[in-house]
Amino acid sequence: DTGVSQDPRHKITKRGQNVTFRCDPISEHNRLYWYRQTLGQGPEFLTYFQNEAQLEKSRLLSDRFSAERPKGSFSTLEIQRTEQGDSAMYLCASSFKGPTNEKLFFGSGTQLSVL
Amino acid sequence: SQQGEEDPQALSIQEGENATMNCSYKTSINNLQWYRQNSGRGLVHLILIRSNEREKHSGRLRVTLDTSKKSSSLLITASRAADTASYFCALQETSGSRLTFGEGTQLTVNP
Repeated sequence: DTGVSQDPRHKITKRGQNVTFRCDPISEHNRLYWYRQTLGQGPEFLTYFQNEAQLEKSRLLSDRFSAERPKGSFSTLEIQRTEQGDSAMYLCASSFKGPTNEKLFFGSGTQLSVL
Repeated sequence: SQQGEEDPQALSIQEGENATMNCSYKTSINNLQWYRQNSGRGLVHLILIRSNEREKHSGRLRVTLDTSKKSSSLLITASRAADTASYFCALQETSGSRLTFGEGTQLTVNP
């Protein structure tokens, strides 16, 4: 499978616990994005990387959220001290940023439920 | 937020009919894209239209862009039950790189 893969597919956790999600982008893609989506809403931008550099982070993202992309390959998104409001689908996408307009390739997402 | 606003929020049609979804926005854009999402899955890119283009076709999809009115429409012709999904417009602004999504249109095609 050469698409974007996310792990785990589902995560159930108790409030206050830390969770970490992983995203493996398409190998030749240099950009990686994280979005959050709640039921009936569009994806909300969280952050993105170009290679290993985190270029932009949403102001909506609290300091409980951190993302990394070591060596410009896979990425992890960690949420510390989870709250019930963090329950959502977390989507990862990758793209190749070149001279032409870019399009995103999405993974299937990680569905987080905070009890 | 610079996201697009989609209209209608929900659309229900019969198989074989055409479906039209609209997206309005407020900022200057580099391009506008349409994505599809089946329930509980990730989004799939459908079509991209650049700010200097007015119309694009891809199979049964037709997208128009009117930058003077800051609006776009997605037309799906001869709809099928398998077209049932949520459709999102996404804006890539000239000033930044993030892709900002609208709230989506839920399309239901009844067999």
